[in-house]
Amino acid sequence: DVVMTQSPLSLPVTLGQPASISCKSSQSLAYSDGNTYLNWFQQRPGQSPRRLIHKVSIRDSGVPDRFSGSGSGTEFTLKISRVEAEDVGVYYCMQGTLPCSFGQGTKLEIK
Amino acid sequence: EVHLVESGGGLVQPGGSLRLSCAASGFTFSSYWMTWVRQAPGKGLEWVANIKEDGSEKYYVDSVKGRFTISRDNAKNSLYLQVNSLRVEDTAVYYCARGRTAEPWGRGTLVTVSS
Repeated sequence: DVVMTQSPLSLPVTLGQPASISCKSSQSLAYSDGNTYLNWFQQRPGQSPRRLIHKVSIRDSGVPDRFSGSGSGTEFTLKISRVEAEDVGVYYCMQGTLPCSFGQGTKLEIK
Repeated sequence: EVHLVESGGGLVQPGGSLRLSCAASGFTFSSYWMTWVRQAPGKGLEWVANIKEDGSEKYYVDSVKGRFTISRDNAKNSLYLQVNSLRVEDTAVYYCARGRTAEPWGRGTLVTVSS
């Protein structure tokens, strides 16, 4: 099964500054249908998770354009161009090649 | 608007069983894979199981194989998770989510396994 490894696990960021989270998979996530099923989720304190990005780089509806996803194969990145207070929470990557699996989570806090 | 509502959680002794349900609305339920994810208190997300649109394919995380069963009733727009032989480490909030890529999510139902 695919193991997902995120870094860092804790991310203190100053408001207005950029942030970056890495996610590495133990094997390539490129699927036979030509897609790469790598998703990013945000979980704000006390809330259910919500998906931010699917298939590596496609932003979900309503997600601010300061969030972007990139990568291929086994290495992926979530970037926030300018962190805002509402971005505080835990971010997870998830691979969608069955069986699915999540990374450990990265806790973003304001410095 | 897509809406997912989980129910069926509660306090159960080790070795006990529960049937979790997820009522779906606002979309064509029978056209989507469905997913269960859990989150132990203060811990990260753990993918638990997926089921194909027609129920013909099911996948589980290793730690629940043989104990949990995912199922669905497309006529009732409902997803289920039968959880048997419960262990203390199964204590978690259980979420259902639409699709293999899990969006959106319900608010979850808490399962507490304790003697």
